[in-house]
Amino acid sequence: EVQLLDSGGDLVQPGGSLRLSCAASGFTFSGYGMSWVRQAPGKGLEWVSSITASGSATYYADSVKGRFTISRDNSKDMLFLQMDSLRADDTAVYYCAKSREWYFDYWGQGTLVTVSS
Amino acid sequence: EIVLTQSPATLSLSPGERATLSCRASQSVSSYLAWYQQKPGQAPRLLIYDASKRATGIPARFSGSGSGTDFTLTISSLEPEDFAVYFCHQRSNWPRTFGQGTKVE
Repeated sequence: EVQLLDSGGDLVQPGGSLRLSCAASGFTFSGYGMSWVRQAPGKGLEWVSSITASGSATYYADSVKGRFTISRDNSKDMLFLQMDSLRADDTAVYYCAKSREWYFDYWGQGTLVTVSS
Repeated sequence: EIVLTQSPATLSLSPGERATLSCRASQSVSSYLAWYQQKPGQAPRLLIYDASKRATGIPARFSGSGSGTDFTLTISSLEPEDFAVYFCHQRSNWPRTFGQGTKVE
């Protein structure tokens, strides 16, 4: 059974940093691209970032480019999102998602990031 | 950036009725379009990919159609568990984008 366990969400001040993690199990992690998608309270879904199966290529939404870094550790079946220079409009539930042909076929339960002073 | 516009914003129906949801892209996405269902407090679930292919375990009452810029998600006969928000998503171009959602109530 595919499982994605998101963690690392917290309350952080504007300008601060946070690192999200996603522990994957139940599939060959190194064989699939992975992504982060976020959802602000009461709002729709926003794609944040994706990384290829090997980690050789990464993609970012303009809203986070230069501030967020996606990475993965295929030896530990882990996905990460390093978030720097956080802003109030980064407040959202962040989901990690497994990508099948770059669709999001499995999702984590989400982790809440709140940016506020 | 490809903008996806969903209509209507809200669809008020009763169990057993047919639901027809629309998603229009600002430029062609070929058939690289998916539909997701999201219930309150839950992560989204993939229903349809490549415009018309049902994801694993998705009931046959869900169907998708369309190509290019106009897409439709149809729920042939609403079950109580189908009342939720539905999002379309394109994987044709970077950045990936989602529609704003249609709530089926």
